[in-house]
Amino acid sequence: NAGVTQTPKFQVLKTGQSMTLQCAQDMNHNSMYWYRQDPGMGLRLIYYSASEGTTDKGEVPNGYNVSRLNKREFSLRLESAAPSQTSVYFCASSEGLADTQYFGPGTRLTVL
Amino acid sequence: SQQGEEDPQALSIQEGENATMNCSYKTSINNLQWYRQNSGRGLVHLILIRSNEREKHSGRLRVTLDTSKKSSSLLITASRAADTASYFCATDEYGNKLVFGAGTILRVKS
Repeated sequence: NAGVTQTPKFQVLKTGQSMTLQCAQDMNHNSMYWYRQDPGMGLRLIYYSASEGTTDKGEVPNGYNVSRLNKREFSLRLESAAPSQTSVYFCASSEGLADTQYFGPGTRLTVL
Repeated sequence: SQQGEEDPQALSIQEGENATMNCSYKTSINNLQWYRQNSGRGLVHLILIRSNEREKHSGRLRVTLDTSKKSSSLLITASRAADTASYFCATDEYGNKLVFGAGTILRVKS
C-alpha cells in the first residue's frame, strides 16, 4: 500500500507557465483534497472532491483548476503560474468528508 | 476560514516534560482530530475523539474534549526529541468536511 502519492516532488516554474500536479491514492477513498501550505502557516484548502465526479471550491481556489480523473486520481492544474503560488502543495484523501485524512508527501513549487 | 484555533502558537520544553496544547472551535461538531506534521512532511493522523467522548488515550497521547466550551486539549507525556513537530487540530463543521487550525509548533530540547 503506497497510500497517497504525489508527483512531482519539486518543481520550479517561470511566471506564466502552466503545470499539473498529480495525486493518486490506493485506499479506495471517496474524497480527495488539495491544500497549500505557506512557510510557518497552516493548511488552506484549494479544492476538494467529495466523491468521484464531483469537485468543489475550497478557501483559495483562484488560479487553480482540478480534475477528478477517476476514484484514484485527483489532479491540480495551474494555468498561468504566479509568484504568489510558490508554496508546498499537499494532496489528501479520506473515506468520507468528515473522516480521517491521509496526506501525500507534498510538492514543493517555486514560481520565479 | 479556520474552525480550530490552536494555543499556544509555539511551545518549547525539555525532553521528559509534558506538553499541552489547546484547540478552540466555533460550531457544533461530530468529531475532532489531531494531526502531527514533521518538518517538510505531510500531516499524519494521531487521534480522533467523537463529540460524545470526553477523553481518549493513545500511548503517550491524551486528548480531552469539552463540547460546552468548544475546546480540546492534547497532552503529550514524557516528551522526546522525536516529538518535535507541528500539531494541528481539525474539526468537522456541522459534520461536514474537516477544517484545520493554524497549528502549534512544539520543540522538545534534548
